[in-house]
Amino acid sequence: QKEVEQDPGPLSVPEGAIVSLNCTYSNSAFQYFMWYRQYSRKGPELLMYTYSSGNKEDGRFTAQVDKSSKYISLFIRDSQPSDSATYLCAMNDYKLSFGAGTTVTVRA
Amino acid sequence: SQTIHQWPATLVQPVGSPLSLECTVEGTSNPNLYWYRQAAGRGLQLLFYSVGIGQISSEVPQNLSASRPQDRQFILSSKKLLLSDSGFYLCAWKTSFATDTQYFGPGTRLTVL
Repeated sequence: QKEVEQDPGPLSVPEGAIVSLNCTYSNSAFQYFMWYRQYSRKGPELLMYTYSSGNKEDGRFTAQVDKSSKYISLFIRDSQPSDSATYLCAMNDYKLSFGAGTTVTVRA
Repeated sequence: SQTIHQWPATLVQPVGSPLSLECTVEGTSNPNLYWYRQAAGRGLQLLFYSVGIGQISSEVPQNLSASRPQDRQFILSSKKLLLSDSGFYLCAWKTSFATDTQYFGPGTRLTVL
């Protein structure tokens, strides 16, 4: 079993829809949780970073962590075509462990 | 502000040829440095990490090696490339603080023919 499980999609939504992404993990030692966005043929860029259970909001993006269920989510409100990318969840104890990434397409 | 550079951006090499990919970080001192490989649909695989000059930890034994000759320089090498070495190679850095996260470079796309 992988330490971090993420549905690879692909996920296709119309512009303006809410995008919901999630990851599950098995390692209780994970303390910090991140979401990266990766455009095609580019390096991943940090989108959200949180270290506690609960919600963290940044503009149209909300990251949610439930440590008791070992489950994290990313929500994108009012999605735009520019949000089309692969979204990677990541979490760490002494090193980062990544999900496989979910490819999202927002249709204009 | 900190920036991370990788070169070359793309590379096509024949099987059996050597490899040298370079990563440099600007605007920070004593960063932790990482090499990842990303295969299509398979996420990021950590290859090597370094917490200081000359200090290299290997996560996956394979056909590659890494070196850190200077504080902000990280090099990925191979003496003889295999077809299976093809992929997207990413360098990343972070501060030494445990709570900090990693920041990635633009990547090098390697095709071995």
